[in-house]
Amino acid sequence: AQSVTQLGSHVSVSEGALVLLRCNYSSSVPPYLFWYVQYPNQGLQLLLKYTTGATLVKGINGFEAEFKKSETSFHLTKPSAHMSDAAEYFCALEGSSNTGKLIFGQGTTLQVKP
Amino acid sequence: DSGVTQTPKHLITATGQRVTLRCSPRSGDLSVYWYQQSLDQGLQFLIQYYNGEERAKGNILERFSAQQFPDLHSELNLSSLELGDSALYFCASSVDSSPLYFGPGTRLTVT
Repeated sequence: AQSVTQLGSHVSVSEGALVLLRCNYSSSVPPYLFWYVQYPNQGLQLLLKYTTGATLVKGINGFEAEFKKSETSFHLTKPSAHMSDAAEYFCALEGSSNTGKLIFGQGTTLQVKP
Repeated sequence: DSGVTQTPKHLITATGQRVTLRCSPRSGDLSVYWYQQSLDQGLQFLIQYYNGEERAKGNILERFSAQQFPDLHSELNLSSLELGDSALYFCASSVDSSPLYFGPGTRLTVT
């Protein structure tokens, strides 16, 4: 069965500090992986996606993620946190059947302290 | 703005009632997906339609049904509502498969 685990339901960083949100997945087939962000009272916005090819993926707002097959991980990073990054972040997996059906992690709430 | 619209934004209703949630996909997108977001279950895939046909089903209750119309908008019907159905319901769309673009959601409160 496919699954996504986000390590840490809450992460707190200071403004300007490195952001690291962890995501591990389980899949018997090559996965497509995504990070979405959800601001309060809003829908989910796609940050970045990995399908095939280059394992370091750059997204919007300065975020990037690296697909590591050997570690079954797809951690999200940003070199310097901004107050506006405070939100909930979801890692998601789609099996290679390319159905568009996403399996989401439980989410990580990012708090940015001034 | 993802280009996906959902109405209504909020819905408050009583147990046992029936409601309809509406979604208009992005222009040109043929696939529509419905997801439920609740505190205890997280984000769960309910159902997918592609160009009017049901394509995939997830954890959708029998009390729930959906359809996609010729103009590609979709409706999610929830009946015999229970307190536990209170959640955010998201619609998403895509050209065919991922990535998905999500709407702002409909917050359903069942009292």
